[in-house]
Amino acid sequence: QSALTQPPSASGSPGQSVTISCTGTSSDVNTYKYVSWYQQHPGEAPKLMIYEVSKRPSGVPDRFSGSKSGNTASLTVSGLQAEDEADYYCSSYAGSNNLLFGGGTKLTVL
Amino acid sequence: EVQLVESGGGLVQPGRSLRLSCLGSGFTFGDSGLSWFRQAPGKGLEWLGFITSKTYGEATEHAASVKGRFTISRDDSKSLTHLQMNSLKTEDTAVYYCTRDLAVTAYENWGQGTLVTVSS
Repeated sequence: QSALTQPPSASGSPGQSVTISCTGTSSDVNTYKYVSWYQQHPGEAPKLMIYEVSKRPSGVPDRFSGSKSGNTASLTVSGLQAEDEADYYCSSYAGSNNLLFGGGTKLTVL
Repeated sequence: EVQLVESGGGLVQPGRSLRLSCLGSGFTFGDSGLSWFRQAPGKGLEWLGFITSKTYGEATEHAASVKGRFTISRDDSKSLTHLQMNSLKTEDTAVYYCTRDLAVTAYENWGQGTLVTVSS
């Protein structure tokens, strides 16, 4: 199965909001609630930011929120801060013990 | 504090085998589902597979891309999970991560990763 589709880049100024999309198909994003988002700073391991579409793990600021509509999931970062600059990856369960990832979006804080 | 520390990476020739290990601490290891991922240089994340806890039968699933070559196991007595990699190919070159699973497809805790380079 193909990877999920993310825009290669996104940007916003401090304090602004930015939304990153993640487009799949009716066989993955649209069907399952198991959509997650990961933040990765250069040289570091990924960090779970959102799971099950919109749940935040303990310790993740509520500036990060997730949603889904049809085949597309979204991650919104509100009140952008310099430390939010990172790569963001979405993932979705695709059935039959198959997990898909997006290609990643580089978020730049201007 | 939850910690996962991978080890065993390095330079290996194509066709050879390598076993990675991941030591967990700061949580009840035996109660946790564990997964493995990799990230090729400059590329995105790839899920490799998981192993459930003993409560759920230590069941394993492996991604189609590595099924038959890679095997995940665990040793709860030592708080270790292993990734056995056989018949390595140059395209297996990547940083390999182990994770502790928060929920289905939610990987909350990650190790620092260990680099595997497959080259002659």
